[in-house]
Amino acid sequence: KAGVTQTPRYLIKTRGQQVTLSCSPISGHRSVSWYQQTPGQGLQFLFEYFSETQRNKGNFPGRFSGRQFSNSRSEMNVSTLELGDSALYLCASSLNRARANVLTFGAGSRLTVL
Amino acid sequence: AQKVTQAQTEISVVEKEDVTLDCVYETRDTTYYLFWYKQPPSGELVFLIRRNSFDEQNEISGRYSWNFQKSTSSFNFTITASQVVDSAVYFCALSEDRGFGNEKLTFGTGTRLTIIP
Repeated sequence: KAGVTQTPRYLIKTRGQQVTLSCSPISGHRSVSWYQQTPGQGLQFLFEYFSETQRNKGNFPGRFSGRQFSNSRSEMNVSTLELGDSALYLCASSLNRARANVLTFGAGSRLTVL
Repeated sequence: AQKVTQAQTEISVVEKEDVTLDCVYETRDTTYYLFWYKQPPSGELVFLIRRNSFDEQNEISGRYSWNFQKSTSSFNFTITASQVVDSAVYFCALSEDRGFGNEKLTFGTGTRLTIIP
């Protein structure tokens, strides 16, 4: 079966712009989580969506936002980009039928902010 | 607050050697879950194992084995007879038990493992 698909895989933006990243979960998975990976901060949890509702949010400024659609696909948006937003953004999905579900990750969207 | 420490930033071993990746965690919860993920150069994180805090049995899966010790808050990962394909960054992660649907993982900083042919 198809895995978690993230688009675009690579993108370059300049400071002040905004960006939207997309994530298509595995078919049947209703939970989508987002993580930011940087060399300095490592892997950090951004937020998690289930049934179009944000259930959990990490410690990121309001410039980072997301949403989930009725087909479980998710998007995240970063507004007013800063140099420090350069990172690999990873999306993960899960069946969400147990505590501490196993997450299946996509290959990520690598964002470079100039 | 939760914390996961992977003190080994980089490890290099010659192929066929055994290697152990260390993971130490901190949590106030009595119920929690521990994970190991592998990140190859392609970027996606690949799930290896999940353990809950009540299950201290060691686990072996092929060349991989895991040693969970609550007394020392450690969840170490050993690769036996390493192969070049094992080269990757390995992450240990911790999840609190917040009921169904908690998907927030706290990751360690990762250990980059290089297997030298």
